[in-house]
Amino acid sequence: NAGVTQTPKFRILKIGQSMTLQCTQDMNHNYMYWYRQDPGMGLKLIYYSVGAGITDKGEVPNGYNVSRSTTEDFPLRLELAAPSQTSVYFCASRPKGGGMGEQFFGPGTRLTVL
Amino acid sequence: AQSVTQLGSHVSVSEGALVLLRCNYSSSVPPYLFWYVQYPNQGLQLLLKYTSAATLVKGINGFEAEFKKSETSFHLTKPSAHMSDAAEYFCAVSDKPGSSYKLIFGSGTRLLVRP
Repeated sequence: NAGVTQTPKFRILKIGQSMTLQCTQDMNHNYMYWYRQDPGMGLKLIYYSVGAGITDKGEVPNGYNVSRSTTEDFPLRLELAAPSQTSVYFCASRPKGGGMGEQFFGPGTRLTVL
Repeated sequence: AQSVTQLGSHVSVSEGALVLLRCNYSSSVPPYLFWYVQYPNQGLQLLLKYTSAATLVKGINGFEAEFKKSETSFHLTKPSAHMSDAAEYFCAVSDKPGSSYKLIFGSGTRLLVRP
């Protein structure tokens, strides 16, 4: 199993540009999550999904959109990039089950908006 | 609402010394608690988790953590630090039941190991 994969690893955007961060998991997990990590701030939840076709906002959703058309894929869309979106983005997944289940993380995408 | 506080954004120890990383949580329900490690330029990897089966939890790479309900703490320890332990460590608590198992993360502690 490849686990959780993310592409691209790095990206530089200009203000106002758009892009999609890709996330794929091959573990047949129901739950998927997008986080951003800013220095000294820990991880903040952007959006999450409990299954194909179902998504919901996390703590910091403004400026982002998601979709979940399949169990495997959970792309994150930035429509109008802003410098405040410079961050490291992590995708995670976990199987259905109780609260004791861990989340499995991808390697991250480092995004810079100039 | 659940929350996590990690005391000390940076901790520096000598190789071979005791490692102690502090985590305090706030939860209105019996918590599920996790410690994750992040090596430079990598994603997060699970070190250990508390799921109420035992208060002393052993994880990978010689780390362990003790759940203390009276102190609302879940501190991470390792008896003897190794250079390869240098990384950032995150404590997390699982959100309340029915919330899609979202994790609430602390702000992280960067462990530096001096030779």
